[in-house]
Amino acid sequence: GQNIDQPTEMTATEGAIVQINCTYQTSGFNGLFWYQQHAGEAPTFLSYNVLDGLEEKGRFSSFLSRSKGYSYLLLKELQMKDSASYLCALTDSNYQLIWGAGTKLIIKP
Amino acid sequence: NAGVTQTPKFRVLKTGQSMTLLCAQDMNHEYMYWYRQDPGMGLRLIHYSVGEGTTAKGEVPDGYNVSRLKKQNFLLGLESAAPSQTSVYFCASSYSDSPSQPQHFGDGTRLSIL
Repeated sequence: GQNIDQPTEMTATEGAIVQINCTYQTSGFNGLFWYQQHAGEAPTFLSYNVLDGLEEKGRFSSFLSRSKGYSYLLLKELQMKDSASYLCALTDSNYQLIWGAGTKLIIKP
Repeated sequence: NAGVTQTPKFRVLKTGQSMTLLCAQDMNHEYMYWYRQDPGMGLRLIHYSVGEGTTAKGEVPDGYNVSRLKKQNFLLGLESAAPSQTSVYFCASSYSDSPSQPQHFGDGTRLSIL
């Protein structure tokens, strides 16, 4: 079967760095997405990893280790607007997205 | 620059009533999807379409029907609404089913079944 785990909620301070982890188990793997979802809004695409390693995009970076079934999203120089839920989703062997429940990130001044 | 548009944004139904949720995209995407999002759970795929005139079942299709008569529109129907269908419904689209293609989401429809 397939399973994705993320922490339910995290708290961080404005200006700091936070790492949101995602672990998964799947029989087929075709990449992993991170999406951001502000309360009451649509999920929006942040990153896609299919090869091991770190992908950097401005203040956001995403890391993947396929052998460990592990990914993380790293947010630097946190801003209040980064308060949102962060969704991890993997593409399975049928090219369908399997979604984690999301991590609610709370930024405090 | 509309992207994916969902109507209505909010709706309250009584058990047993029927309704249709409309999704429209202006990006010429082939693939369209309907998800539901419930507290503490990941997005769950209800139905999807790989092109005009085609539909397929997702993870949780029971109680829902869909149609894709035009490439830009994807309709989700509830024939006889049940309280278990209270949820936030998201429509999404993508250019293709290539694994690297991100899905683009509408703003959601918040549906309550009393």
